[in-house]
Amino acid sequence: KAGVTQTPRYLIKTRGQQVTLSCSPISGHRSVSWYQQTPGQGLQFLFEYFSETQRNKGNFPGRFSGRQFSNSRSEMNVSTLELGDSALYLCASSLDLSGNTIYFGEGSWLTVV
Amino acid sequence: KNQVEQSPQSLIILEGKNCTLQCNYTVSPFSNLRWYKQDTGRGPVSLTIMTFSENTKSNGRYTATLDADTKQSSLHITASQLSDSASYICVVSPSFRSGYNKLIFGAGTRLAVHP
Repeated sequence: KAGVTQTPRYLIKTRGQQVTLSCSPISGHRSVSWYQQTPGQGLQFLFEYFSETQRNKGNFPGRFSGRQFSNSRSEMNVSTLELGDSALYLCASSLDLSGNTIYFGEGSWLTVV
Repeated sequence: KNQVEQSPQSLIILEGKNCTLQCNYTVSPFSNLRWYKQDTGRGPVSLTIMTFSENTKSNGRYTATLDADTKQSSLHITASQLSDSASYICVVSPSFRSGYNKLIFGAGTRLAVHP
């Protein structure tokens, strides 16, 4: 079965712009989590959605937002981009909230210039 | 504070040699511990997952051990191959009764296997 699909894989944006990243979880999975990975900070939790509801949120400014649709697909949006937002954004798909089945997508590489 | 610490930060070994990566955690209560392999620019791929009641779990040349009493885990790689060059991340999940999939990540160990 298909894995976690993230689009786009690579993108370049200019400071001040906004960006939307998409994540399609594994079929049947209802939980989608987002993470930011930078060389200096490692993997940092952004937020998690389950059945279209945000269940948990990390310590990121309000410029970072997300949503989940009825088909479990999720999007995250970053507004007013800053240079420091350059990172690999990873999406993780999970069947439920038991923590037993979590699969990552390949990520979206965002470069802010 | 829930933390996951990994050592060494980086490691270089010769092809064919074995190596062991360490993970210490302070997460409590604890649901499970995972080891992920992450190639540069790719998403993490799960190698092993162990609950608090398991002591060891193998996946091919990868063997993870867990000591829940000392809150330590290790990942042993046998007969290393060039393709093992990657970052290895230890991830701990607190009790799932928290109501969400909360993962606490270590900073990772960067492994380089040289011919």
